[in-house]
Amino acid sequence: SQQGEEDPQALSIQEGENATMNCSYKTSINNLQWYRQNSGRGLVHLILIRSNEREKHSGRLRVTLDTSKKSSSLLITASRAADTASYFCATVSGSARQLTFGSGTQLTVLP
Amino acid sequence: GAVVSQHPSRVICKSGTSVKIECRSLDFQATTMFWYRQFPKQSLMLMATSNEGSKATYEQGVEKDKFLINHASLTLSTLTVTSAHPEDSSFYICSARADRDTQYFGPGTRLTVL
Repeated sequence: SQQGEEDPQALSIQEGENATMNCSYKTSINNLQWYRQNSGRGLVHLILIRSNEREKHSGRLRVTLDTSKKSSSLLITASRAADTASYFCATVSGSARQLTFGSGTQLTVLP
Repeated sequence: GAVVSQHPSRVICKSGTSVKIECRSLDFQATTMFWYRQFPKQSLMLMATSNEGSKATYEQGVEKDKFLINHASLTLSTLTVTSAHPEDSSFYICSARADRDTQYFGPGTRLTVL
């Protein structure tokens, strides 16, 4: 089953603008991860943030985590047309440490 | 990052036939692999956890007799869709666990059942 929801479901922006996607989840977590999926392809791991971390950066990516609100956000700065893809958050919980994916955000960056 | 391959990338079959999908970790050993299913414009749903040398663990609602999983080596897991029907048409993605928190995903297999 899905852990939670992402919003927006779809986001369309101009190249150079920033894109923000939000993820909410329901249970306590060990960590939260963000993935990218190009159409019809597999998933690429972007970034992992642990439950005791509040913010993390990787290149043009910035992830925040608020465990009190059970939410996370992914910010992509200075977006490029090549960033067009679906973005999924996934939580890791419990001893099994399985990934439970959110509903995803389809990002379109217009050149 | 590590590489996980899937084969075939695309398969079209007739209703009633069985289809086998392979998932290989190419440059690391994975005692645990996962199989996901993804419908168009939807998220990934975990089907089962495949453990090397033991029986797979299936998620609720997934028929183990329909989706046979074999994890015979540390680098290979297979998913066999038995007696496939059109409703089994989907995108199947595997992943291999490299460490406690890291999974590497295969490129996916598009199954179309006519």
